[in-house]
Amino acid sequence: EVQLVESGGGVVRPGGSLRLSCAASGFIFDDYGMSWVRQAPGKGLEWVSYINWSGGATSYADSVKGRFTISRDDAKNTLHLQMNSLRAEDTALYYCVRVGALGPSDYYMDVWGKGTTVTVSS
Amino acid sequence: SYDLTQPPSVSVSPGQTASITCSGDKLGDKFASWYQQKPGQSPVLVIYQDNKRPSGIPERFSGSNSGNAATLTISGTQAMDEADYYCQAWDSITGVFGTGTTVTVL
Repeated sequence: EVQLVESGGGVVRPGGSLRLSCAASGFIFDDYGMSWVRQAPGKGLEWVSYINWSGGATSYADSVKGRFTISRDDAKNTLHLQMNSLRAEDTALYYCVRVGALGPSDYYMDVWGKGTTVTVSS
Repeated sequence: SYDLTQPPSVSVSPGQTASITCSGDKLGDKFASWYQQKPGQSPVLVIYQDNKRPSGIPERFSGSNSGNAATLTISGTQAMDEADYYCQAWDSITGVFGTGTTVTVL
């Protein structure tokens, strides 16, 4: 069964750091790009970050650029999101998502985890 | 930054057709995907590459994309289709979601 399981969420003070992890199983991890998508309470989906299959290309939403770092460990089939300088507006449910590719800029997010909750509060 | 705009809500009677538009500058030059999210659940991909349905998605879901708008159409809408729907596109390797539309089946 194809599965993504997030971990690492929690409560952190403004300015603090957290590292999210996503354990992938049931598919060849290094065949796929991966993304993080978040959803603030009662709000819509917000794309956060992407890493390609090799780890050689990454991208970030303007709202997190310079503060978050996406990485992958293909030996452990694990995706990470290092989050620094956290702000109240980063409070959200963070989803790990598999990204399939059919061509340049032709991507789709076909497998989603259940998410891990990050709360930034003093 | 690139923005995608959707109507906040769409209402439809059971068995009728629901259409959700997603507007963005030259969106037709990109590929659009659509995601369904029911309360308390993770999103589910229902349309990719403008008009392709993943395995397991009912034929009543269809999509199109041209000019500055993509459209998700639900034909013969059922009560189980009541959910939030999000369009999504990529600009190179940067992603963006639409503002989301709540579909209510009255």
